[in-house]
Formats: sequence, C-alpha cells, structure tokens
Amino acid sequence: EVQLVESGGGLVHPGRSLRLSCTTSGFTFGYYAMSWFRQAPGKGLEWVGFIRSEAYGGTTEYAASVKGRFTISRDDARSIAYLQMNSLKSEDTAVYYCTRFGVHLPDTWGQGTLVTVSS
Amino acid sequence: QSALTQPPSASGSPGQSVTISCTGTSSDVGGYNFVSWYQQHPGKAPKLIIYQVSQRPSGVPDRFSGSKYGNTASLTVSGLQAEDEADYYCGSYAGSNNFGVFGGGTKLTVL
Repeated sequence: EVQLVESGGGLVHPGRSLRLSCTTSGFTFGYYAMSWFRQAPGKGLEWVGFIRSEAYGGTTEYAASVKGRFTISRDDARSIAYLQMNSLKSEDTAVYYCTRFGVHLPDTWGQGTLVTVSS
Repeated sequence: QSALTQPPSASGSPGQSVTISCTGTSSDVGGYNFVSWYQQHPGKAPKLIIYQVSQRPSGVPDRFSGSKYGNTASLTVSGLQAEDEADYYCGSYAGSNNFGVFGGGTKLTVL
C-alpha cells in the first residue's frame, strides 16, 4: 500500500524556519516526482512546489508565493521528501500536504501536517 | 485567483446526477488529456477520483465519471449519495515548463 506521512508541522514565529518531512512507503520512491501543496484554513488547495525524479535531474519548481523562501529536496535512499520553509509569514499558515506524482499530476496524498505561523 | 475556473458550489438530491465544470485554456485543459479530479471531505486529505480525463482509480465507484470538451473538463456524479458531499478540485497538466494548474474547488451539497 502506498503511504505518505508528513511530519514536522507546528507553531512557529514569523521570520523563523521549519522543515517538513514526507516519509513514504509502498512504492519505489526514486521513480517518482513529488510535490507539496498547502491549504489555508477554509481555503482551496495551493500548489507550493515540485521536485522531479533524479532521472529528470531532480530539479524543482515553486509557486511565486514561496519562491526564494521554500526549498524542496529529496533523499531517495530513505524515501523521504522535504520542504524547508524559511522566513515564514502569517500567510503561510496552512495544512501542508505531500503528494506523489502519477502521470503529470498528483495521484496520492499524505494526511497533511498543520503549520501555524504566529507570534 | 486559480488558473482553472470551477463553480464555487453545486448541489443535488440523493439519486440525482450533478455535473461540475472545470474551465481552462488551450494551454492546459484543452491541450492535453491529463485532467484529474480530487475529492476532499472536511478535515481529510484530498483523494484522486478521476485521472487522464475519464479514468477511475481502483476502488472509485463508477458513479463518478469525467469528460472533456474543448477547454472545459467535467465531473459527473450520478446517483448522488450522502457521502458524496465534499469539496471537489480539478487539476490539469500544462506542459513541461509548468508543473500544472488547479481549480479553486467546488463544494458539492447533497440536499
């Protein structure tokens, strides 16, 4: 069974950093692109960023709202994807979801982890 | 503002059918047969229910169907059931230089 489990969320002060992890199992992690979404309270889904598989260079893409502040990385040996979030703002408060990419779009989602940015 | 346009709400009575639209452009929905639909119940993670416009993952009831005409994709839920009440999001591939676009979501209410 394919599983994605996010961790690392919590309460953080504005301007500080936080790193989320997405621990996966049930599939060959290195074959797949991975991405992160977020959902602010009462709002829709927002694409945060994306990392291709190493076969496609492991390159990343980011939404304009987080570019320069957030970094996605991957550890294929441990089957984990990461989201490093720096210079956090109150508007980054959201549930963050890790997703596996199927054919060009997400096909599996984790349960999410809540990040609250507040003083 | 989302790249794909969905109606904010839709509704139907049990047993009825309801269709949710997802409108994009020729650069995304109209240009590729890679449209997915996701169902999200309150407090839960999204779940894939349609991929590649009209394909259902294993375990998704055949009451859910997808289609596309031009720049608009549609999700039809037939024989509405109470458990179908949820938010529905569409997503589309938009080319190799863009990792995809999403709709703002539609809240489906079963009356």
